[in-house]
Amino acid sequence: DARVTQTPRHKVTEMGQEVTMRCQPILGHNTVFWYRQTMMQGLELLAYFRNRAPLDDSGMPKDRFSAEMPDATLATLKIQPSEPRDSAVYFCASGLVFRGAGLGNEQFFGPGTRLTVL
Amino acid sequence: ELKVEQNPLFLSMQEGKNYTIYCNYSTTSDRLYWYRQDPGKSLESLFVLLSNGAVKQEGRLMASLDTKARLSTLHITAAVHDLSATYFCAVAYGGSQGNLIFGKGTKLSVKP
Repeated sequence: DARVTQTPRHKVTEMGQEVTMRCQPILGHNTVFWYRQTMMQGLELLAYFRNRAPLDDSGMPKDRFSAEMPDATLATLKIQPSEPRDSAVYFCASGLVFRGAGLGNEQFFGPGTRLTVL
Repeated sequence: ELKVEQNPLFLSMQEGKNYTIYCNYSTTSDRLYWYRQDPGKSLESLFVLLSNGAVKQEGRLMASLDTKARLSTLHITAAVHDLSATYFCAVAYGGSQGNLIFGKGTKLSVKP
């Protein structure tokens, strides 16, 4: 049963600490997305990768957030230093995107990491 | 800039009733997705609509897409409590980039 996995599922930390969230996309998917969900802002796209290369990270606060994909089975999202306003659920999603095709673009979401920054 | 608007944002309905959730979007796109999210859970893909006039049905839910009107609807027939969840529509943009813009979601509560 192929699915996106994320760790940790829950993280409570203090302001100023570094937080690293990890995601394992579905095997064979070529695109990985990071989203943040809050009550106020809804679902926001932070960054995404195609074939491990970053395509867009304009949704991320660049001074404290960084996203990487060291290999095809691992994507990471790091916050350093964390702030209380970063408290949210962070979702990773993966998909198989074909250039110019009518298929693809469907994104499969992981279970999320619920982050609380005190 | 592509905008996706859902309405209503909150919907309380009685079991057995019918209702429709609307999803409007602001620029051309021929691909639209519906997701369901239960409280504290992830987003689960419900429907993929890939062309004008596409209609998909699963149980008591039916989704349709009118690309000319830039409108998708999610129709609920004879609602049951198990359908209580938040429903998101998402519109593909940027050609083959694979990006989706999500609506704010419709929180559906079905009461006995």
